[in-house]
Amino acid sequence: QSALTQPASVSGSPGQSITISCTGTSSDVGAYNYVSWYQQHPGKVPKLMIYEVSNRPSGVSNRFSGSKSAYTASLTISGLQAEDEADYYCSSFTTSSSWVFGGGTKLTVL
Amino acid sequence: EVQLVESGGGLVQPGGSLRLSCAASGFSFSNSWMHWVRQAPGKGLVWVSRINSDGSTTNYADSVKGRFSISRDNAKNTLYLQMNSLRAEDTAVYYCARAPPSFDYWGQGTLVTVSS
Repeated sequence: QSALTQPASVSGSPGQSITISCTGTSSDVGAYNYVSWYQQHPGKVPKLMIYEVSNRPSGVSNRFSGSKSAYTASLTISGLQAEDEADYYCSSFTTSSSWVFGGGTKLTVL
Repeated sequence: EVQLVESGGGLVQPGGSLRLSCAASGFSFSNSWMHWVRQAPGKGLVWVSRINSDGSTTNYADSVKGRFSISRDNAKNTLYLQMNSLRAEDTAVYYCARAPPSFDYWGQGTLVTVSS
């Protein structure tokens, strides 16, 4: 049950696009299309941003998009805004009927 | 409105026990798989355990297997986490959340501190 691998930090200027990667194995990210992404502002509860690799829940901006290739999932945020500054976590269902999160990525909007 | 309200956190000595509760409302609790996810201070999210809708199937992270027990009472719309043999590394905010397969509803969390 090793954590999925995410970069510790990414940054971008307002209006730019950034991509956060999430690398797993054949037992998690590579096994199912059950990858999801969460945004967490300091002191707040995580918020679901993307589910099942590329689907956005109602109310989430279309500036957020997700994709997956083999064992790596990605979250792309386009048109960066100051309010996007937060921690982002990926998660995947696993072949052991468990769930695993990534270590988290701190997004800084310059 | 969906609500998940955790309770039962607090300060406990190493080796001690604690029982967390999560009261659910605003959605079909009895038809939902439920989870516990924790977050140590300044650290990332870690999945702890899940239980299926009727309570017949449970799964645990290796780090808590044999020490923690998840259960539910669908008549009371409540999820539980019994935590035994607590260690300092169990110190975290514990969230209850609904899934699968994505965690769409989260509670506000309850802080568990394991310290002498």
